[in-house]
Amino acid sequence: GAVVSQHPSRVICKSGTSVKIECRSLDFQATTMFWYRQFPKQSLMLMATSNEGSKATYEQGVEKDKFLINHASLTLSTLTVTSAHPEDSSFYICSARGLSRTEAFFGQGTRLTVV
Amino acid sequence: AQSVTQLGSHVSVSEGALVLLRCNYSSSVPPYLFWYVQYPNQGLQLLLKYTSAATLVKGINGFEAEFKKSETSFHLTKPSAHMSDAAEYFCAVTEISNFGNEKLTFGTGTRLTIIP
Repeated sequence: GAVVSQHPSRVICKSGTSVKIECRSLDFQATTMFWYRQFPKQSLMLMATSNEGSKATYEQGVEKDKFLINHASLTLSTLTVTSAHPEDSSFYICSARGLSRTEAFFGQGTRLTVV
Repeated sequence: AQSVTQLGSHVSVSEGALVLLRCNYSSSVPPYLFWYVQYPNQGLQLLLKYTSAATLVKGINGFEAEFKKSETSFHLTKPSAHMSDAAEYFCAVTEISNFGNEKLTFGTGTRLTIIP
């Protein structure tokens, strides 16, 4: 299967700072990337969908100014959590899908802890 | 909107016993259906998918699932459980978002525990 690499796997940051998470498709061109948030022992909540070269579309209730998503190339998307607060602490997962694919492939996830 | 229901948030089976994880979906059109597995602190790995071809789908690690339109179900099975199967399992269905994007809607997940 295709490989999606997410970095970093864990990050701890101070409240008020910004954190960037990278999601790369290593062996295919990801025309669409998805960003999810997962709370402990819960399912994945879709935050936003981004198509390469276009602005991301955010799900209802997700603050676009707080969670900045960039998908500037066919192999890289970034999620920046701006002015992080402890309530932003969570597990963030990206997934990527190529143009001819029916399934999306997931990154390893990033555990964000805001202190 | 599409939805996915996974019956049983926790399932325990003995090693070597049959694994059955239930998934029902609601969809007004033929869906694409998926089963993913998640190990602690990791992303999701695709086990198998149904994309309107054969109704019995075989996946990795000995898992399979059968699409039953009449029951709107896509239950996941494995004949003989292994200790390494202990994980969280998610059923998912594709749907078209309000913005025209195709996205996955996940069930709430089932935690599978294997009893030695």
